[in-house]
Amino acid sequence: QQQVKQSPQSLIVQKGGISIINCAYENTAFDYFPWYQQFPGKGPALLIAIRPDVSEKKEGRFTISFNKSAKQFSLHIMDSQPGDSATYFCAAKYRQFYFGTGTSLTVIP
Amino acid sequence: EAEVAQSPRYKITEKSQAVAFWCDPISGHATLYWYRQILGQGPELLVQFQDESVVDDSQLPKDRFSAERLKGVDSTLKIQPAELGDSAMYLCASSLLPNTPSNTGELFFGEGSRLTVL
Repeated sequence: QQQVKQSPQSLIVQKGGISIINCAYENTAFDYFPWYQQFPGKGPALLIAIRPDVSEKKEGRFTISFNKSAKQFSLHIMDSQPGDSATYFCAAKYRQFYFGTGTSLTVIP
Repeated sequence: EAEVAQSPRYKITEKSQAVAFWCDPISGHATLYWYRQILGQGPELLVQFQDESVVDDSQLPKDRFSAERLKGVDSTLKIQPAELGDSAMYLCASSLLPNTPSNTGELFFGEGSRLTVL
């Protein structure tokens, strides 16, 4: 059973546009929600993370929006750049990390 | 910059053969994880160590997979015999702190070992 459901599977955005990736979960015991960025041939790297007592966290062009009542959280990438082209994974932690299935983002110049 | 080291980066083997992967975590990181990432999916935990002790191996297929971290530093993941369905990326990660309600335990991943079983 997939603990964290992620959508879309793939996303194509024009340079300068906004990329939005969504995740949903059911287990209310999750206490930490990170997003990881993975480039081909590399391991995932932490991008940004949020705790459930905060509704939004922004770091540069990356923002997490968290809706505790809806059990959903999303990653927004503002002013998307070709260098942002990668696979993004949401995750949720309760004793261990559960990862979403990933979103392949392509930013077209 | 400190990194998690993994080897080999690529491994091609025939089914029924034995394979082994090695991981050296970031110095000082007591918690070490092995994940399996099937193409197009997110990483799935196989085993978690705290120092030399196994904390969670509930998702490790113990009939063919084994993992050890004898001195609490580097670790080896072994598969014997390998099956076609084992083809995947095997990722090692480490964290300074264990995952508890009060600790984030940020994961630092290595570049992975890609296994192809023919």
